[in-house]
Amino acid sequence: QVQLVQSGAEMKRPGASVKVSCKASGYTFISYAIHWVRQAPGQRLEWMGWINAGNGNTKYSQNFQDRVTFTRDTSATTAYVAVSSLSSEDTAVYFCAREGYDTLTGWGNFDYWGQGTQVTVSS
Amino acid sequence: DIQMTQSPSSLSASVGDRVTITCRASQGISNYLAWFQRKPGKAPKSLIYAASSLQSGVPSRFSGSGSGTDFTLTISSLQPEDLATYYCQQYNSYPFTFGQGTKLEIK
Repeated sequence: QVQLVQSGAEMKRPGASVKVSCKASGYTFISYAIHWVRQAPGQRLEWMGWINAGNGNTKYSQNFQDRVTFTRDTSATTAYVAVSSLSSEDTAVYFCAREGYDTLTGWGNFDYWGQGTQVTVSS
Repeated sequence: DIQMTQSPSSLSASVGDRVTITCRASQGISNYLAWFQRKPGKAPKSLIYAASSLQSGVPSRFSGSGSGTDFTLTISSLQPEDLATYYCQQYNSYPFTFGQGTKLEIK
């Protein structure tokens, strides 16, 4: 069965960087894009962007394109998000999600999600 | 950006009740609308895609409807395991955006 398993909780100081992983299994990794979404305390879910696991192409939300980097390791079937220059505003749960395909709307809907990774930024 | 507005923000209902959650988009999104369920500490679960199509394995008591700007998620007979927060999400255009969530409690 399809599974996305994320790395564990992280605690970082302001100005540091963090890298969260998303290990995929149960499907052909390179055939799907992985999206990243985060939710800060009391805030809405916020879409960060995606990476095409096959060719490595990326798209970033304007809110994240300066400090966020998506990568993937096809041999490890794992996607990563790295966030640099962390501030308290980056404290959030980070989710990965697989972009699925359906015959009605094509690509776009998130059919499987990771369990989330808590990132806490505090001095 | 397309704004997604859900109502209500919270809801308390009894087992067996019919529950309806609505989601409104600030502009037309055709049927590029998904619903998912989130329980604490667990991976969010996709329920509905293309506004009204049930994801594989999702119980048939869940259904979705709507097109354009107004959408509905219905649980026909609430079960105890449906305790969760429900979100709508549009994937018509970037940036993908989400509703604020509806927290469903069981009376």
